[in-house]
Amino acid sequence: SAVISQKPSRDICQRGTSLTIQCQVDSQVTMMFWYRQQPGQSLTLIATANQGSEATYESGFVIDKFPISRPNLTFSTLTVSNMSPEDSSIYLCSAGGDTYNEQFFGPGTRLTVL
Amino acid sequence: AQSVAQPEDQVNVAEGNPLTVKCTYSVSGNPYLFWYVQYPNRGLQFLLKYITGDNLVKGSYGFEAEFNKSQTSFHLKKPSALVSDSALYFCAVRDIVGTDKLIFGTGTRLQVFP
Repeated sequence: SAVISQKPSRDICQRGTSLTIQCQVDSQVTMMFWYRQQPGQSLTLIATANQGSEATYESGFVIDKFPISRPNLTFSTLTVSNMSPEDSSIYLCSAGGDTYNEQFFGPGTRLTVL
Repeated sequence: AQSVAQPEDQVNVAEGNPLTVKCTYSVSGNPYLFWYVQYPNRGLQFLLKYITGDNLVKGSYGFEAEFNKSQTSFHLKKPSALVSDSALYFCAVRDIVGTDKLIFGTGTRLQVFP
């Protein structure tokens, strides 16, 4: 299994600013994923981040709004740009999970935009 | 397209009674199915998976799930519920056609009453 940490655990931000969320894995993984979750609701995949290539974004999510970096096999960042109150959510990263194996999740970052 | 459905938003059960959380799936090809649990203010924790083999899969915390191909179901079960099992449960299917991402159901809130 993989242990995943995220920073910050929560933040309160002003409209129009940007926040970068960090995700650290304790072992090397090929695939990392970023999700958004409203409290008590299901997860929505934002993008898949593979090391050495551009992130693949899901429908409704664009790189200008959610730029992602994946500089090595243990680390990724997600930036939420030009934030609005609608971006208030929990952001989760996950790692691992080739076809036959499970993904492991970080504890999440709770973002509130005022 | 791959998808999973969790028909119940909430399941209530008395402590000590058996519990079932339902999940049905729709896939093209072989299904790779997963169950996750989310406790309040925490990330998702992996419970169990079905890839191939025995239809009854055993997982963490005494949970098990039964894969039923004819009914396209993968219900989560536990013989004797604990109050501490109260949480949000997600069924997921692997999108093997696309990027190996997980596609999550809408979640079922399990409430175990003392």
